[in-house]
Amino acid sequence: SAVISQKPSRDICQRGTSLTIQCQVDSQVTMMFWYRQQPGQSLTLIATANQGSEATYESGFVIDKFPISRPNLTFSTLTVSNMSPEDSSIYLCSVRLLPGRKAGVFYTQYFGPGTRLTVL
Amino acid sequence: AQSVTQLGSHVSVSEGALVLLRCNYSSSVPPYLFWYVQYPNQGLQLLLKYTTGATLVKGINGFEAEFKKSETSFHLTKPSAHMSDAAEYFCAVRPSSTGANSKLTFGKGITLSVRP
Repeated sequence: SAVISQKPSRDICQRGTSLTIQCQVDSQVTMMFWYRQQPGQSLTLIATANQGSEATYESGFVIDKFPISRPNLTFSTLTVSNMSPEDSSIYLCSVRLLPGRKAGVFYTQYFGPGTRLTVL
Repeated sequence: AQSVTQLGSHVSVSEGALVLLRCNYSSSVPPYLFWYVQYPNQGLQLLLKYTTGATLVKGINGFEAEFKKSETSFHLTKPSAHMSDAAEYFCAVRPSSTGANSKLTFGKGITLSVRP
């Protein structure tokens, strides 16, 4: 498995400001993802964070609003820009591990503890 | 395109009773299947997964699920509910390929309540 940490764990922000969320993994991973979980809802994929290149965004999400960086195999950041109350959500980092000795390791995707964001 | 259906949004059982959480998927080929649990104010934890092989898979905390291709289902069960099982449960699917576009699709989730 992988140990994933996120900072901050929660924050309360003012409208119009930006917040950068950090995700750190304790092992090298193939893929890193960012998800949003709006109150009472399921998870929605925002983007796939690509090492050394621009992230791949899902429909409805754009780089200007959610810039993402991934400078190496174990670290990524998500910025929520020009926030509004509609951005109040849990933001989760997720990773997929490199192939290991056990075939099953490759198929598993793990999630961080999430960052709980409230925008006033 | 694949999709996941979790019927209902809330299930309530008595402590010690059987837990059954339903999940059906729609996919052109049998996908990889997952159940995740989210305890209050926490992230997602993997309960169990099906990739290949035995269709009955056992996970953590006494949960198990059975892949039934003919029914396109992957229902989650536990013989005897415990108070600590109260949480949100998500079924998820992923295409059975390792390509870059292989992404998880989540169901809407089911809230499990356990009555004393």
